[in-house]
Amino acid sequence: DAGITQSPRHKVTETGTPVTLRCHQTENHRYMYWYRQDPGHGLRLIHYSYGVKDTDKGEVSDGYSVSRSKTEDFLLTLESATSSQTSVYFCAISRLAGGPGTGELFFGEGSRLTVL
Amino acid sequence: GQQVMQIPQYQHVQEGEDFTTYCNSSTTLSNIQWYKQRPGGHPVFLIQLVKSGEVKKQKRLTFQFGEAKKNSSLHITATQTTDVGTYFCAGTVDYGQNFVFGPGTRLSVLP
Repeated sequence: DAGITQSPRHKVTETGTPVTLRCHQTENHRYMYWYRQDPGHGLRLIHYSYGVKDTDKGEVSDGYSVSRSKTEDFLLTLESATSSQTSVYFCAISRLAGGPGTGELFFGEGSRLTVL
Repeated sequence: GQQVMQIPQYQHVQEGEDFTTYCNSSTTLSNIQWYKQRPGGHPVFLIQLVKSGEVKKQKRLTFQFGEAKKNSSLHITATQTTDVGTYFCAGTVDYGQNFVFGPGTRLSVLP
């Protein structure tokens, strides 16, 4: 257990409303990630963070923003939710053991978002 | 951009049969990882391969990394019902910390 908590675990919202998903870790890891999972697409990276206030875009970042003001929290915000953002969102942390080729991912339990 | 593909998309096997899933990348990878996700669960790390031609075993699971570091495979010997789930490969380029996942292979095991 990597001490990752996602909230909320389930949310139903309407198109056009803002939504924020929270990822909280207890182990002080540097790298944190937000993925979305959809049938047939596997896990696609939305944004990631490599430190406080240091974030970068992933392959499907349009319509999403992130913030990391503390090491332990990584927030994913949908400014104006759309039906195409209905998905399961997973937060992950990377435990770097040092050196190249390291960094297995540990995932949270997921947040299921439905946009009507 | 980098693409990672997996085949097959689905596999149904009888308990006791073997199973193999293949992962192919459009670019040379620095490493590759495999994850398992049980139905309704979250992905769980299985293993990481770094060296060209590397082979690793975990009990009934055998993982291989291709010589060109562009493909990998996961083989399960004598499947059990506990092997049910979706298996994902994930690759990184230039030893970065961005992991690109394949779409996964969903395994069903019939008792």
